[in-house]
Amino acid sequence: GAGVSQTPSNKVTEKGKYVELRCDPISGHTALYWYRQSLGQGPEFLIYFQGTGAADDSGLPNDRFFAVRPEGSVSTLKIQRTERGDSAVYLCASSNHGFTEAFFGQGTRLTVV
Amino acid sequence: GNSVTQMEGPVTLSEEAFLTINCTYTATGYPSLFWYVQYPGEGLQLLLKATKADDKGSNKGFEATYRKETTSFHLEKGSVQVSDSAVYFCALSFLNAGGTSYGKLTFGQGTILTVHP
Repeated sequence: GAGVSQTPSNKVTEKGKYVELRCDPISGHTALYWYRQSLGQGPEFLIYFQGTGAADDSGLPNDRFFAVRPEGSVSTLKIQRTERGDSAVYLCASSNHGFTEAFFGQGTRLTVV
Repeated sequence: GNSVTQMEGPVTLSEEAFLTINCTYTATGYPSLFWYVQYPGEGLQLLLKATKADDKGSNKGFEATYRKETTSFHLEKGSVQVSDSAVYFCALSFLNAGGTSYGKLTFGQGTILTVHP
């Protein structure tokens, strides 16, 4: 596609529910990143995929958070047993080999009520 | 750990005023430094970058110089426009172990810039 696409753009869920957030990277980009941005803060790194494998998941806050990229393209961020503190904008970015720039999507705004 | 500190905002300026947004960092080693911009309703975009000490990044009239001695990467523009109104993020990154990616970024908290006509 022309850019990084994230769906849905907005998601409201009840505390305790399970949610999935989708990221469609730029075609051909091998690297994919998830970030979380809380209100008034800069984005915080969650996880990095190189191809299908998670090369660095050091930013995932706890075991309720999980992400997959089974075919090395689309990625899904999964959050179990959501808590109100999970409310944030979740950003996805992709880049190609020999990165000089990461291209960001517009994010999914998650609200846990 | 690595961290980035930006001057607190918001910053409000009149058109054609001079802009400085301060950014300092703490890191082990010598990171690459970036400024990202988020215009209203849009995703984060890379504005400029510098990958080693004394490098100057520039784009769209904005400049920033990588100062190792002061661990700073201040953003400047000589004459701002209304269209520059946005949120600006300073960030740092290191090449990954394979030397292929700077994508794991550490961001500052962002500075909101509003430019009035």
